Amino acid sequence: LAKTTQPISMDSYEGQEVNITCSHNNIATNDYITWYQQFPSQGPRFIIQGYKTKVTNEVASLFIPADRKSSTLSLPRVSLSDTAVYYCLVGGTGNTGKLIFGQGTTLQVKP
Amino acid sequence: DGGITQSPKYLFRKEGQNVTLSCEQNLNHDAMYWYRQDPGQGLRLIYYSQIVNDFQKGDIAEGYSVSREKKESFPLTVTSAQKNPTAFYLCASSIDRAGVTDTQYFGPGTRLTVL
Repeated sequence: LAKTTQPISMDSYEGQEVNITCSHNNIATNDYITWYQQFPSQGPRFIIQGYKTKVTNEVASLFIPADRKSSTLSLPRVSLSDTAVYYCLVGGTGNTGKLIFGQGTTLQVKP
Repeated sequence: DGGITQSPKYLFRKEGQNVTLSCEQNLNHDAMYWYRQDPGQGLRLIYYSQIVNDFQKGDIAEGYSVSREKKESFPLTVTSAQKNPTAFYLCASSIDRAGVTDTQYFGPGTRLTVL
């Protein structure tokens, strides 16, 4: 299974764009990249998922270069409520039970 | 209103007692999971089940047991053999079919404290 590496923590200010990069050098051909958000004492919440190039939804964008060895979660114009832990996961179909949650990136948004 | 429910939200138990955490989903998902989260840490997989009456151990199954008698339900029992059971427990489910990515959807969690 592909291991992911992401920064332990990041700080930002309200209204700024935040980019969190995740490295996954051993990503397999059928692996997708998924990002989750977790607030304290709550379950993780699915944010976005992609396979290649760019994916955008109402919450975030996900940028994946051609070699797929990294990915970047982009949060536009963050607010205080975006303060949370963000997890990058790599896994494909048929990998039930084998998603690995690392420590994630703790994003602190300041006023 | 579809989703995953866990109960109770907070649970206290005395050392040496078994306790069962509830997890129910009405998403018609095939797979269900139990994770444990300790303060400042990521999630660790305890058990998972892809089909009724079948389940597999995750990375930290010792001291825990599960059952999957119904597709909608996946209760977790924390036994007295679990040496450090105080933690935040999360249940999740996913579709788990060929050709579908394994996106997991989580419940609100149960915080277990052993006194």
